[in-house]
Amino acid sequence: NFMLTQPHSVSGSPGKTVTISCTRSSGSIASNYVQWYQKRPGSAPSAVIYENNRRPSGVPDRFSGSIASSSNSASLTVSGLKTEDEADYYCQSYDSSIPIWVFGGGTKLTVL
Amino acid sequence: EVQLLQSGGGLVQPGGSLRLSCAASGFTFSKYAMTWVRQAPGKGLEWVSAVGDSSGRTHYADSVKGRFIIARDNSQNTMYLHMTSLRVEDTAIYYCAKVTRRHDFWSGYGDYWGQGIRVTVSS
Repeated sequence: NFMLTQPHSVSGSPGKTVTISCTRSSGSIASNYVQWYQKRPGSAPSAVIYENNRRPSGVPDRFSGSIASSSNSASLTVSGLKTEDEADYYCQSYDSSIPIWVFGGGTKLTVL
Repeated sequence: EVQLLQSGGGLVQPGGSLRLSCAASGFTFSKYAMTWVRQAPGKGLEWVSAVGDSSGRTHYADSVKGRFIIARDNSQNTMYLHMTSLRVEDTAIYYCAKVTRRHDFWSGYGDYWGQGIRVTVSS
């Protein structure tokens, strides 16, 4: 199985932009969709990006996703940071040959 | 309005068993795959298991294979997770989620989630 590696934490000031990376250890990042989930303490996860760069209904366009084959990674960008964006963010992809879901270790976003 | 209401958590001794339930409403339950994801204290999200729309296809993480059984009753709009031979490391909050796919859960994502239910395995 492959692994998804995320930075432990990122931070930014209100109104600024932050990017969270998610690097796939083996196999191409482009071969399987990547999702991003927001997880606040005491709440269930909530998808903010699916299929690499699509936003579920109701998610503001301040959230965007992308993949880069050159670095074999996916990225979640949050622009116009708000205090409400403070949460843990998890990338998730899958191995269709088994099949299983694979989650990254999570990144704590702090809005300073 | 889509709702997933979880029940069945609690405290159990190592080696014991527990059954989690996830009662669905607000969508055609029989047309979607469902999944379980857990979060151990201080840890990240971990995928546990998934079931296709008709129970014929079930999938498990290696960490629970042979100990947990996922099932669904489409007539009752309910999904279950039967957990046996529980270990201390199974202690977590368990979430059920509706998946956006019918059969191939892996290429979908969790668009609606239950409130989470705590399972504590301790002597």
